[in-house]
Formats: sequence, structure tokens, C-alpha cells
Amino acid sequence: GQSLEQPSEVTAVEGAIVQINCTYQTSGFYGLSWYQQHDGGAPTFLSYNALDGLEETGRFSSFLSRSDSYGYLLLQELQMKDSASYFCAVRDRGTYKYIFGTGTRLKVLA
Amino acid sequence: DAGVIQSPRHEVTEMGQEVTLRCKPISGHNSLFWYRQTMMRGLELLIYFNNNVPIDDSGMPEDRFSAKMPNASFSTLKIQPSEPRDSAVYFCASSSLRGREGEKLFFGSGTQLSVL
Repeated sequence: GQSLEQPSEVTAVEGAIVQINCTYQTSGFYGLSWYQQHDGGAPTFLSYNALDGLEETGRFSSFLSRSDSYGYLLLQELQMKDSASYFCAVRDRGTYKYIFGTGTRLKVLA
Repeated sequence: DAGVIQSPRHEVTEMGQEVTLRCKPISGHNSLFWYRQTMMRGLELLIYFNNNVPIDDSGMPEDRFSAKMPNASFSTLKIQPSEPRDSAVYFCASSSLRGREGEKLFFGSGTQLSVL
């Protein structure tokens, strides 16, 4: 089966940099995605890593290392509006099931 | 495009009643996913369809849950009879599953279900 583990909560101050890790156990997948979800809202897509390495999208970057079964989301120049839950996700290569991680709640303090 | 549309936004019902949740995926998307979200269990995949065909329903908790996709633009998730432990937010999501863009899921606003 598949499982994606994330820290349950991370706290940082405005302007800081924070890294949210995702470790996974899955037999094979297409790539690692990240989603953001504000309280009361729906998950929205942030980034996707098909290959190992770093992908940058503005203040957000995402990294994947298949050999280490590990990925992370890096948020720079934190803003109050970044306070939300963040989920990593994979689509299983065999079943096409799209599975989400346990989620990390990010609190940004003034 | 209006995005993925779910209805109703909120549903309050009594234990034992039938509940039907509805979803209209984004036009042109060929895959549709139903998720349930709770604090305890996070985002759980219940069932997903590809080209209107149910591919994997192993996440459906029990026989009280059923889902259909009669055509490419409509899907329903039904709970009969409902129980208080079914209270959760139910999300529908769609994707094209084609190329890099296909790895992106688009979520509806969700249905907040409360079973009393």
C-alpha cells in the first residue's frame, strides 16, 4: 500500500523560510504534488515534481528525491496568508489512485 | 470554466436518512475522484472514475456508500442509511490525467455533511 507522512504542525514568523517534509512508502508513482488548503476551503494545487530535483514557482519551491523516498515544500518570505494546511500527494503508477499525505498545518506568526 | 461544482454546500440530516451528494466535473476532464475529509483521518479517497467507469472503490467504507457516474458531466455519492460517523466534508475532484497538467486535481468547494 501507499503512505505519505508529514509533520502535523509547523510554526514560523512572517518573512521566514519554512520547509515541510513528506516521506513516503509507495511501490511506484508518477510524481509528487503539493496542495494548499485554507480553513473552510478546498485543496488547491501548488506544484508538481515529475523528476528528482527542485522546482521553483515564485515564493514556493518543491523538491523530490526518489532514491530517498522523500520530498519537501519550501516556502520563502512567509506571509500571514500562507497560514494553511499543506498536503503532499502521489498518483500510484499501478492503480492510478491519487493519495494524499497526512497534512501539515502551517501557522505564520506576525 | 466554472470549475468543479458540488451541491449542496451544506447538508444536515438525521440518522437513517438517505443523503445524495452531487458533482459536476470540469468539462473535458476524464477522471473524477470522491474524497472524505475529517480531522482524524485526513483526506481519504473513497472512489474514482475514469471515463465514467468506476476504477477503484476500495476506499468506500461500507455498503451504505454508493457512487455513480451516468455521464461525463455528472456524478453522485449516496449514503443510505446515514449515520453520525459519516459526518465529514466530502470533496469531488476532477483531472484530465493527461501529461503534466493531468497530474493536477481540481477540487470542488465540498459538501459539509452533518448527520444528527
